[in-house]
Amino acid sequence: NAGVTQTPKFQVLKTGQSMTLQCAQDMNHEYMSWYRQDPGMGLRLIHYSVGAGITDQGEVPNGYNVSRSTTEDFPLRLLSAAPSQTSVYFCASSPLGLAGGKGGRAYEQYFGPGTRLTVT
Amino acid sequence: AQSVTQLGSHVSVSEGALVLLRCNYSSSVPPYLFWYVQYPNQGLQLLLKYTTGATLVKGINGFEAEFKKSETSFHLTKPSAHMSDAAEYFCAVKGGSYIPTFGRGTSLIVHP
Repeated sequence: NAGVTQTPKFQVLKTGQSMTLQCAQDMNHEYMSWYRQDPGMGLRLIHYSVGAGITDQGEVPNGYNVSRSTTEDFPLRLLSAAPSQTSVYFCASSPLGLAGGKGGRAYEQYFGPGTRLTVT
Repeated sequence: AQSVTQLGSHVSVSEGALVLLRCNYSSSVPPYLFWYVQYPNQGLQLLLKYTTGATLVKGINGFEAEFKKSETSFHLTKPSAHMSDAAEYFCAVKGGSYIPTFGRGTSLIVHP
């Protein structure tokens, strides 16, 4: 298993540009999420999904869109990049309770390696 | 509602000394509790977790944590720090929601 993969690893954008951060997992996990990590702020949830076709907003959704057309993929779109979106972005996936079971891997988060984004 | 507080954004220890990273949580339902580790320029990886049963949980790399319901705590310990333990550590709680709540992280610094 490749686990959770993210592309690209690094990206530099100019203000106003748009782009898509890719995230894929091959573990058949129902739950997928996007976080941003900034110094002193910990992890902040941007968007999440509990299955194909179902997405919802997290703590800091403004300026970002997501869709989930398949179980495997959960891309994050920056609509019009701003310097405040300079950050490290992590995608994560986990099995939910029904699949993972109480003694299984339910709710254990598997993280990708991250995308370091700079907006100038 | 659920929340996590990690006491101390930085903890500094000498190599060979005890490591203690503190985590207190709140949850309206019996929680699942997790510790994750993040090495520089990497994603987070699971160290250990508590769901039910034995309250002392052992994880990878010699770490362990004890669930204390009366104190709403889940502190992470390791008897003897190694230089390779230097990393960021995150405590997380999952209560009644699908969504886990992460603490702000504690940076562990290990001095030779």
